[in-house]
Amino acid sequence: AQTVTQSQPEMSVQEAETVTLSCTYDTSESDYYLFWYKQPPSRQMILVIRQEAYKQQNATENRFSVNFQKAAKSFSLKISDSQLGDAAMYFCAYEAQGTYKYIFGTGTRLKVLA
Amino acid sequence: GAVVSQHPSRVICKSGTSVKIECRSLDFQATTMFWYRQFPKQSLMLMATSNEGSKATYEQGVEKDKFLINHASLTLSTLTVTSAHPEDSSFYICSYRVGLVRANYGYTFGSGTRLTVV
Repeated sequence: AQTVTQSQPEMSVQEAETVTLSCTYDTSESDYYLFWYKQPPSRQMILVIRQEAYKQQNATENRFSVNFQKAAKSFSLKISDSQLGDAAMYFCAYEAQGTYKYIFGTGTRLKVLA
Repeated sequence: GAVVSQHPSRVICKSGTSVKIECRSLDFQATTMFWYRQFPKQSLMLMATSNEGSKATYEQGVEKDKFLINHASLTLSTLTVTSAHPEDSSFYICSYRVGLVRANYGYTFGSGTRLTVV
């Protein structure tokens, strides 16, 4: 069975600094998707970034980038120039190709300090 | 685009009563919807997959007679928690899959419903 592990329950970062959130996963599949979602206090899930396993290039969306290490089954999220609005729960999610089902990690609460 | 409206955002009900949660796609049609449950400070757990015009598929351990899902149209899916008990208190979130092409498909989530059973 596939699993997703986020080993950092909580992280803090100073405003304007860079922080990296960790995610590892376990799967025997070769084709899958990985996602990072943000859940602010409003509880609305917001897609931050998406990575397709067959793509070697790391995905980037403005201040957000990932370090995708397929062999190591690692998918970390780097947030550069952290802003107060980045404070939220961040969930890593895995989806095997064609299953349409997410498996979420347990989340990392990110605090941004002014 | 791809906006999902979930209603109500918050509901308190008495033990033994039933509660209906609605999820409506406002600007697109979707054949497949997902219902998740999130306990406090925990992750989202998939409860069921709802397909328009057919019976929902429930995940292992989810009671289909307690959590009734109806996906009667391409824009509306409902989750009814029947004979609710305090242990059903949780945050329920719906999600639609949008897009068919691999390059641009993803999921959009409703804003969630906090159910408290007293």
